[in-house]
Amino acid sequence: LAKTTQPISMDSYEGQEVNITCSHNNIATNDYITWYQQFPSQGPRFIIQGYKTKVTNEVASLFIPADRKSSTLSLPRVSLSDTAVYYCLVGDINAGGTSYGKLTFGQGTILTVHP
Amino acid sequence: DVKVTQSSRYLVKRTGEKVFLECVQDMDHENMFWYRQDPGLGLRLIYFSYDVKMKEKGDIPEGYSVSREKKERFSLILESASTNQTSMYLCASSGWGAGDTIYFGEGSWLTVV
Repeated sequence: LAKTTQPISMDSYEGQEVNITCSHNNIATNDYITWYQQFPSQGPRFIIQGYKTKVTNEVASLFIPADRKSSTLSLPRVSLSDTAVYYCLVGDINAGGTSYGKLTFGQGTILTVHP
Repeated sequence: DVKVTQSSRYLVKRTGEKVFLECVQDMDHENMFWYRQDPGLGLRLIYFSYDVKMKEKGDIPEGYSVSREKKERFSLILESASTNQTSMYLCASSGWGAGDTIYFGEGSWLTVV
């Protein structure tokens, strides 16, 4: 399973774009990259997922370079309500054998958005 | 939207009690999971199930058991609760397609006194 490394914390201000980078040097061919957001006392919420290049949805963009050894979550124009922990997760739920179901979450990035 | 519902948000149990945490998903997902989350330790997988009546141990199965009698329901059982099992428990589910993502419930805060 690919180990992920993210910054422990980041600070931003309302209205700014925030980019959180995750390193995953040992990513496997079948692995997908998924980002979750978690607020205190709540379960993680799916934000975005990608395999390569760029993915965009209504809340975020995910940039994945050609070598796939890192990925960047981009949050446009953050607000105070985006203050949360963001987790990068790399793996494939259906990799088969003993790996499926054992996706491991890293420590996450605490994003604090200031007024 | 995928909905994963955990039956109890907050529970307080006594040491030695048998505790049941129930989870139901409404998306016909094959896979279901139980994690616990503790400060500084992140999310740790307790058990997962890839089909009815099938289960696999995760990273920390000791002191827990699970039951999956129906596809939509996955129960976590603490046979004899101990104080070190005080934690937030998260249920999740996913499909079986390539790259299918995991969806989480809101969590159950268990305090064992």
